[in-house]
Amino acid sequence: GAVVSQHPSRVICKSGTSVKIECRSLDFQATTMFWYRQFPKQSLMLMATSNEGSKATYEQGVEKDKFLINHASLTLSTLTVTSAHPEDSSFYICSARARYRDILAKNIQYFGAGTRLSVL
Amino acid sequence: QQPVQSPQAVILREGEDAVINCSSSKALYSVHWYRQKHGEAPVFLMILLKGGEQKGHDKISASFNEKKQQSSLYLTASQLSYSGTYFCGTEDMAGTYKYIFGTGTRLKVLA
Repeated sequence: GAVVSQHPSRVICKSGTSVKIECRSLDFQATTMFWYRQFPKQSLMLMATSNEGSKATYEQGVEKDKFLINHASLTLSTLTVTSAHPEDSSFYICSARARYRDILAKNIQYFGAGTRLSVL
Repeated sequence: QQPVQSPQAVILREGEDAVINCSSSKALYSVHWYRQKHGEAPVFLMILLKGGEQKGHDKISASFNEKKQQSSLYLTASQLSYSGTYFCGTEDMAGTYKYIFGTGTRLKVLA
């Protein structure tokens, strides 16, 4: 099956520092990658949609200058949390949509294992 | 707007059945179901693309009522491994590939 690798799995940082999270599709090319945020016992909230070679599309209420997204290639997207503060502490998950010919496979999002960010 | 799932939580004994519902206020193009274990990423279960479509996977199946903007996930003869939080992900327009996840249903299966 399609594998999405997300790194790091856990990061603890001091307030004011920036943190970069990587999301890689290992065995397929991903036309689109998505970034989600999840608070404890809550649902996944879509933050932004990232297409290779173009600017990310952010959901309403998500600060684009705070959460920088770069989709450098068809297999890599990065999320940088700039000047992180304790309220940014959360579980961040990426997903990738496969670029296959089969329409069903194209509709499926494959998720990374998530990154738990703790800002002190 | 986020799709609403019901029930919010359910506890079952092994072998019992459960139904999880997902209701949207918008017309839907597709519905996807995922299961998430604590601290892990969601795992894809199935996708429903057409109105009225039912799909099955082992003892887990789902239906999609396009008219009612609803989908239901059916878990039969539940196993301990079914425990987790179930989310529906809805896509309201063809070609966006953008999901809005439902509120979630926590399922616990006891031995």
